[in-house]
Amino acid sequence: QKEVEQDPGPLSVPEGAIVSLNCTYSNSAFQYFMWYRQYSRKGPELLMYTYSSGNKEDGRFTAQVDKSSKYISLFIRDSQPSDSATYLCAMNGGGATNKLIFGTGTLLAVQP
Amino acid sequence: ETGVTQTPRHLVMGMTNKKSLKCEQHLGHNAMYWYKQSAKKPLELMFVYSLEERVENNSVPSRFSPECPNSSHLFLHLHTLQPEDSALYLCASSQDSVGPVKTQYFGPGTRLLVL
Repeated sequence: QKEVEQDPGPLSVPEGAIVSLNCTYSNSAFQYFMWYRQYSRKGPELLMYTYSSGNKEDGRFTAQVDKSSKYISLFIRDSQPSDSATYLCAMNGGGATNKLIFGTGTLLAVQP
Repeated sequence: ETGVTQTPRHLVMGMTNKKSLKCEQHLGHNAMYWYKQSAKKPLELMFVYSLEERVENNSVPSRFSPECPNSSHLFLHLHTLQPEDSALYLCASSQDSVGPVKTQYFGPGTRLLVL
């Protein structure tokens, strides 16, 4: 079993839709959860970062962590064509090294 | 721009060639990383350097040889690669490599094709 599972997509939605991206994980020691966005031909850039369970909102983006279910989500409201990218979840336990475990990424296409 | 640059952006090499990838960070960070990104696979951590010392080597074949001459520069020396080594190689940096997680900033990557 992979430590982090993420549906690779592709996910295609119309402009203005609410997008839900998800990851599940198996290691209960994970405490730090991140979402990265990667545009084509670019490196990943950090979108959201949460610690432990709960929600965090930043503009149109909301990150949600449910540690009891080992499930994290990223919601995008009022999606725009500029949101079209690959979204990677990443997490770690905050232990001795800063080793992030990544999901495979979900390719999102927002159609105008 | 994230403050992490990588050169070259694209590289095609034969299996007998020797080449080097370069990464430079302008963020004043102390830790630098090499990752391999292949299609439909998670990012694979290859090497971690903290204050120019290698702190992690993730069972990477010896045909990949990293070098960190100072905290701003990181190299990945390549020799006798295999076609399955074709991938996007990403460099990242963070304030440090230990303790609570610190944000990692990625460069744009080098797209490598081994023929």
